[in-house]
Amino acid sequence: KAGVTQTPRYLIKTRGQQVTLSCSPISGHRSVSWYQQTPGQGLQFLFEYFSETQRNKGNFPGRFSGRQFSNSRSEMNVSTLELGDSALYLCASSPGGGENQPQHFGDGTRLSIL
Amino acid sequence: AQKVTQAQTEISVVEKEDVTLDCVYETRDTTYYLFWYKQPPSGELVFLIRRNSFDEQNEISGRYSWNFQKSTSSFNFTITASQVVDSAVYFCALSGGAGNNRKLIWGLGTSLAVNP
Repeated sequence: KAGVTQTPRYLIKTRGQQVTLSCSPISGHRSVSWYQQTPGQGLQFLFEYFSETQRNKGNFPGRFSGRQFSNSRSEMNVSTLELGDSALYLCASSPGGGENQPQHFGDGTRLSIL
Repeated sequence: AQKVTQAQTEISVVEKEDVTLDCVYETRDTTYYLFWYKQPPSGELVFLIRRNSFDEQNEISGRYSWNFQKSTSSFNFTITASQVVDSAVYFCALSGGAGNNRKLIWGLGTSLAVNP
């Protein structure tokens, strides 16, 4: 079974630009979550999508947004990039449903802002 | 508010030593879940274990064991006879039972270096 696939692996942008990151979950998984990982703040939850609807949201500004498609693939968009947005962005998928099932992570997209 | 504390930032051991990684959590939920993940240098987070708040049985999986104690709000992880391949950052995480509390709250991780 293929794992969670994130593209691209690396991205370099400049301040003020916008970026879109992509995540393909494990086949059959309907829940996709996004996390930001930085050395200073650690892993922080961005949002979770389930059946094309945002089910949970973390404490990030509105510049961070996401969506999920009918095939469960998800995209995350960051607009008006700031230097502090440099981070590893991780996507995780799980079957979804009622219980807190383990999330399976992709390799991440490393975003660098110049 | 939910919180996870991993007080040990870095641990260095010699191969074959036993090592325990500490995790202390805070939550007001009566139903919650605790997790351990491993992040090797390659970067991918690897799921190790999930525990729910109603199951305090300790668990052993090969050289790995976990000690869950609700009385002290701790969920510690022990590696027996450590190996170089165990070198990684280990994260403890917590999620609540429902709604917005279902998101994972992470500790800052413990970086484990196992030296030959």
